[in-house]
Amino acid sequence: EAQVTQNPRYLITVTGKKLTVTCSQNMNHEYMSWYRQDPGLGLRQIYYSMNVEVTDKGDVPEGYKVSRKEKRNFPLILESPSPNQTSLYFCASRDRATNEKLFFGSGTQLSVL
Amino acid sequence: GESVGLHLPTLSVQEGDNSIINCAYSNSASDYFIWYKQESGKGPQFIIDIRSNMDKRQGQRVTVLLNKTVKHLSLQIAATQPGDSAVYFCAGLGPTDKLIFGTGTRLQVFP
Repeated sequence: EAQVTQNPRYLITVTGKKLTVTCSQNMNHEYMSWYRQDPGLGLRQIYYSMNVEVTDKGDVPEGYKVSRKEKRNFPLILESPSPNQTSLYFCASRDRATNEKLFFGSGTQLSVL
Repeated sequence: GESVGLHLPTLSVQEGDNSIINCAYSNSASDYFIWYKQESGKGPQFIIDIRSNMDKRQGQRVTVLLNKTVKHLSLQIAATQPGDSAVYFCAGLGPTDKLIFGTGTRLQVFP
């Protein structure tokens, strides 16, 4: 089944403790992206990647890192999480060559205490 | 600048009625739009898309209308069912090849 898989689904952590949210897609998509979703603000892009070893900042990149060493994986790294990073996070991918439809993962609810 | 927004935060309809969810956009360069459905606890799911060279596109029980003159997009759901209850939001593809999302309308279906 074609899908984008994120882990974990729920995460509670404390300020300053490094964490990684994993994302994997099995559709051989070139483009992958991370979003955060906050009430009243909609989906905001954090980082995106056009292909392996190519990453770019989105609208709200501060406090986040990403890497794209393999086509299928695009982990989101919070080196020193802060409470304002408490949010619902979504990973997404699309086949940039054929269409613009983004396929989303199920989300990761992060709480930073 | 580029922006995509939605008119109403909540829409309540009776089961069996038609639903119309609206979206406005400010970026005249956007030539592609998508509607997503997001159920509670799940990621957004693709519903239907439309390019700017079209005014209308139909899917199963859904129709998207695009009015480029007033930069308005709507999603029509025929014979709304309880399973249609969700947050719906539109997204437009900006000139930088990035999807810009609206904030969403919550559709509530009553029996």
